Amino acid sequence: KNQVEQSPQSLIILEGKNCTLQCNYTVSPFSNLRWYKQDTGRGPVSLTIMTFSENTKSNGRYTATLDADTKQSSLHITASQLSDSASYICVVSESNAGNNRKLIWGLGTSLAVNP
Amino acid sequence: DTAVSQTPKYLVTQMGNDKSIKCEQNLGHDTMYWYKQDSKKFLKIMFSYNNKELIINETVPNRFSPKSPDKAHLNLHINSLELGDSAVYFCASSQEGRLNTEAFFGQGTRLTVV
Repeated sequence: KNQVEQSPQSLIILEGKNCTLQCNYTVSPFSNLRWYKQDTGRGPVSLTIMTFSENTKSNGRYTATLDADTKQSSLHITASQLSDSASYICVVSESNAGNNRKLIWGLGTSLAVNP
Repeated sequence: DTAVSQTPKYLVTQMGNDKSIKCEQNLGHDTMYWYKQDSKKFLKIMFSYNNKELIINETVPNRFSPKSPDKAHLNLHINSLELGDSAVYFCASSQEGRLNTEAFFGQGTRLTVV
């Protein structure tokens, strides 16, 4: 069964600190992996997308890594800000889907950044 | 210029009622979706639709039906609402055929059935 598991379920850090969120998946065949940020009361917004051949990708203070062999991904947030408080969702797409109809969504990590 | 907009943002209604949620996208995308996010924050796809086909998640009750008057709109109709339908419903759109296409989401509609 295709699954996406994220850890930790929730995380509290102080402003300015770094943190790393984990995503393990069993989706096969694999097409790509996305990290979404969902602010409270808003829809998810894509942060990064990584394909099989990509090991790391950055978007500002967000850096995603992918190990397709171990089927693991991480999202590293550097110098956290209060506005980083949100849910971070890992989404894996099955191969050859080419669209969003076969996305497998994780439950998300709820991050709270405190002053 | 909101890319994907949903109305209403909040909807409170009684059990047994019929309600609709509207969704419009101005991105020129050819595919639209409805997702349900329950209290556990898990996003689950309900429908995907373009002018070629409607794909229904088999777990969605037939009380839920999408209606698309044109490519830019996909409304969600819900009949005989039940308590368990309470959730946040998200509309999204994307352009199929693009490699690694991304879905853009609306703000969500929080439905509360009492």
